[in-house]
Order: sequence, then C-alpha cells, then structure tokens
Amino acid sequence: DQQVKQNSPSLSVQEGRISILNCDYTNSMFDYFLWYKKYPAEGPTFLISISSIKDKNEDGRFTVFLNKSAKHLSLHIVPSQPGDSAVYFCAALSQGGSEKLVFGKGTKLTVNP
Amino acid sequence: DTGVSQDPRHKITKRGQNVTFRCDPISEHNRLYWYRQTLGQGPEFLTYFQNEAQLEKSRLLSDRFSAERPKGSFSTLEIQRTEQGDSAMYLCASSLAGFNQPQHFGDGTRLSIL
Repeated sequence: DQQVKQNSPSLSVQEGRISILNCDYTNSMFDYFLWYKKYPAEGPTFLISISSIKDKNEDGRFTVFLNKSAKHLSLHIVPSQPGDSAVYFCAALSQGGSEKLVFGKGTKLTVNP
Repeated sequence: DTGVSQDPRHKITKRGQNVTFRCDPISEHNRLYWYRQTLGQGPEFLTYFQNEAQLEKSRLLSDRFSAERPKGSFSTLEIQRTEQGDSAMYLCASSLAGFNQPQHFGDGTRLSIL
C-alpha cells in the first residue's frame, strides 16, 4: 500500500523552461510535505516543504503547491537548469503522530542544455 | 561541515557477518532517524530517536537489527547475521523537535552482502 505516489519515473525538459513534478498521497492524516533532491552516491538534500495550512510555498526558483482536496502536490522549478538534473523525492509526514517520513519512489529529472 | 555524517560510506561483508554503522547528526538536532533505501525505491523508515530514547521502530526492523543512541548524540545501527536482502543504502537523518522541522540526511552507508 503506497501512501505517497510519484507516477512519473522520469521527466525531461529544456534548460530555461519550467519543470513540474507531481506527487499524490492517500493518507489524509499527512500534514507536512517535503521535496528532496538526490544526486547519485549522495543522500537526499532537503529542497522545500509545505504545511497543510498553506497551499503554496516559494523559495527562489522552487515553488510547491498543495491541493488538499485532491491530495496532490507539485514542485515547480523555474527556470530549469542543467544542475537541477537529479532524482526528486516527494515525502509526507503526519505530525504529532508518527515522525516517520513516507517517501514516493522518485522522479528522475533531466534538464537538457 | 556541519551536516549529518555517516561512517563508513561503503561496507562489503560476507553473509552471516555482523556490521555496525555510525551516524553523527547535526549538533543541535535532538531527533535522529534511520532509513533504508533499495534500488528504484524511496527511503523507508526504520527507527527514530528523540535524544537517547528510541521512540518508534518499523516492522522492517527485524530482531537482527538494533539501534542505539546512548548519549543522545551519535547513533549506531547494528545488523547481526547479515543476509543478502540486507544489501541497501542505510541513511541517517536528523532534525529539531517540533512542527514543520525538515529532516536532513547524510550521504548514507552502502552495504553489500557477498
């Protein structure tokens, strides 16, 4: 039973364009959502997060949108750069309950020069 | 470098041997987590500590696995009588306690069982 789903294993975009990575979740108790970026042979690096009381959070080129009714979140990267090429993981947490992060399987983003 | 540090980065061992990994969290973080990641999957939660107390363990953490955080600082994860299925990347993360505190990960220990 996969509670966090990233249905696109890969995504390819041109440099300078927008990258949109999607994530769906099933557990309505999740109230904190995070995106991590992972390069080969490195651990996941925290990118941006959003609490369930918000529907948007922005940090530089990265924006996360949360649609609670649809149980869907997305990460927008604008403009995309070749250095953004990595695997992106969506993760969710139910605060005040279990402190474990539940991860999706990841989306491999390739930004072409 | 004040990030999460894990040692060793790679461990190759024969089936049946015991292995121990170490994690040093970010110094002011009182929560420490262990995850396991296999190829093509996201990290899966194993256990977490708040200070020296182990507050949650996953059912993935069989009797052969034990984790400690004796002084509330570094942590060790031991796997006894290793099996082929234990081959994975073992990731440690740390965070501050409280709401909306992201977990920050180390670069992991890659375990290969021969």
